[in-house]
Amino acid sequence: NAGVIQTPRHKVTGKGQEATLWCEPISGHSAVFWYRQTIVQGLEFLTYFRNQAPIDDSGMPKERFSAQMPNQSHSTLKIQSTQPQDSAVYLCASSLDWGGQDTQYFGPGTRLLVL
Amino acid sequence: GEQVEQRPPHLSVREGDSAVITCTYTDPNSYYFFWYKQEPGASLQLLMKVFSSTEINEGQGFTVLLNKKDKRLSLNLTAAHPGDSAAYFCAVTANSGTYQRFGTGTKLQVVP
Repeated sequence: NAGVIQTPRHKVTGKGQEATLWCEPISGHSAVFWYRQTIVQGLEFLTYFRNQAPIDDSGMPKERFSAQMPNQSHSTLKIQSTQPQDSAVYLCASSLDWGGQDTQYFGPGTRLLVL
Repeated sequence: GEQVEQRPPHLSVREGDSAVITCTYTDPNSYYFFWYKQEPGASLQLLMKVFSSTEINEGQGFTVLLNKKDKRLSLNLTAAHPGDSAAYFCAVTANSGTYQRFGTGTKLQVVP
């Protein structure tokens, strides 16, 4: 079991460019979560899929951010027209089920730097 | 919105001493509680998952205490060693919730 896989591990973009982050959840897990980690804001929930369907995107910035899960083996987080304040570590997590008690397994994260 | 406060933000203890990290939460519907360890450059490693029905939970080298009346959760490293140096985060979910609401984190340094 390779755990949650995130690619790339590091990404540097120029202001205004697009960034796409990839997540491969643990095989058989039905829920996928995206979080963002910064020094200032800490760990923040962004969005969540259950059986590939978007369930809760209440943490997603309303503009420029979008997430998809086209199949059960991967999810993407896309940031259009990146801004310096988007610089953060983006963490993906998956869990076997979607209850509040289910253990979420976190990937290593993608460190995004917007210059 | 609901918040999770974590204290202290930084903690330095000598090897063999205890280290206590505390989280307070506001959501009365909070039901599941988690403690994570994050080493530099690494992702979150689950230390313990606690259900609201149990007040004292013991792990390997640490104890987690839950006080539902005061809405307080604490992690007590009983005899810290240098390998415990890391960032620690608490997290909370409601009974009906799914995503985890995280505390602000504590950076622990254990000095030999």
